[in-house]
Amino acid sequence: QVQLQESGPGLVKPSETLSLTCTVSGGSINNYYWSWIRQPPGKGLEWIGFIYYSGTTNYNPSLKSRVTISVDTSKNQFSLELTSVTAADTAVYYCARQNSIAAYAYDCWGQGTLVTVSS
Amino acid sequence: QSALTQPPSASGSPGQSVTMSCTGTSSDVGNYNYVSWYQQYPGKAPKLMIYEVSKRPSGVPDRFSGSKSGNTASLTVSGLQAEDEADYYCSSYAGSSNWLFGGGTKVTVL
Repeated sequence: QVQLQESGPGLVKPSETLSLTCTVSGGSINNYYWSWIRQPPGKGLEWIGFIYYSGTTNYNPSLKSRVTISVDTSKNQFSLELTSVTAADTAVYYCARQNSIAAYAYDCWGQGTLVTVSS
Repeated sequence: QSALTQPPSASGSPGQSVTMSCTGTSSDVGNYNYVSWYQQYPGKAPKLMIYEVSKRPSGVPDRFSGSKSGNTASLTVSGLQAEDEADYYCSSYAGSSNWLFGGGTKVTVL
């Protein structure tokens, strides 16, 4: 079955750029929407944005000025960049698949990776 | 756009039913049937439990059911079991390719 795995630095300095990659295994990245979702410690989930395998994107309006999501279909990967981070960006970051068969619900998730913003 | 509103906690005894709400607006929950629910254990990734308001993915027990009325969606867990103790999050399409989550409800099995 499809598995997702986040990778990237666990510690980022304030004002720098957070960069994460999600590797999709056991299935193709094609024909699906792929999202990034985050969860600050002890808090709820926040949708960051999605990318379609073809490259179409959309971002949370509250983060739009700082977020870029890209896809590399040859590597079955998609990536997140969040610029000018602050302590408020400290969170567990999840990558997830949106499945049109399930009305675009998030049917497959990575295990999540904790990113701490601190000097 | 604001997060969907969920009660912070809910509880019930084993065998009982617990229902939790997810309140949005006429621009999200009230306007689309793209409402889904997720179960999350501490330190784990969320798991899809309900999609399209009331449909269950394969493998999800039929004790879990979803519904919607107006701007409020609901998740009911019937025949509550100890393993149902977890956080539950709702999500909804909000138009213009945007998505929202709720703040989550912590379910305690007494």
